[in-house]
Amino acid sequence: GENVEQHPSTLSVQEGDSAVIKCTYSDSASNYFPWYKQELGKGPQLIIDIRSNVGEKKDQRIAVTLNKTAKHFSLHITETQPEDSAVYFCAASDVGTYKYIFGTGTRLKVLA
Amino acid sequence: GAVVSQHPSRVICKSGTSVKIECRSLDFQATTMFWYRQFPKQSLMLMATSNEGSKATYEQGVEKDKFLINHASLTLSTLTVTSAHPEDSSFYICSARVTSGGYFGPGTRLTVT
Repeated sequence: GENVEQHPSTLSVQEGDSAVIKCTYSDSASNYFPWYKQELGKGPQLIIDIRSNVGEKKDQRIAVTLNKTAKHFSLHITETQPEDSAVYFCAASDVGTYKYIFGTGTRLKVLA
Repeated sequence: GAVVSQHPSRVICKSGTSVKIECRSLDFQATTMFWYRQFPKQSLMLMATSNEGSKATYEQGVEKDKFLINHASLTLSTLTVTSAHPEDSSFYICSARVTSGGYFGPGTRLTVT
């Protein structure tokens, strides 16, 4: 079955700097890769996603890149703000099921 | 956007009792919903796939007799934790599948005393 690895587990950046979180997946059949932000005590919130027919997607300060050959995808947050502090999860699934396998999570701290 | 609700948001129950958690899609229909469990400072682990009108599919290692899932309508799936024990204390999150992806509920914090 699918296995998703995520690095780093914790990340501290200064406000205004960029943050990068990386994930690798094992199942070449996976073709949908969402990223979620989870705040303490709340459910995960979708922040961006990418499908395997696209190499990069951007939404304001957030971007995701996908390398299908290497089976890895990354989340890039630019101009970080304190409100970006949260736990971020990557996930992989196939478009047919949307049965997500999640990475282990990255705790991002943006220092003011 | 699609909204998924869960009820209750928090529940405390005594060891040996059962507790039911509801997951509702508020403005859309979902033939498939997923149930996840999240322990403190850990990732979300898929427990089961809930299909409207049919039996749920459980992931390896998840006891189907302990975690009863019922998906009786296109907008409601329920997870019942039977004979709960302290080790079942966790954050339970549902997700409803739509054609473009999955929408997550806000989660239910279960504490078993």
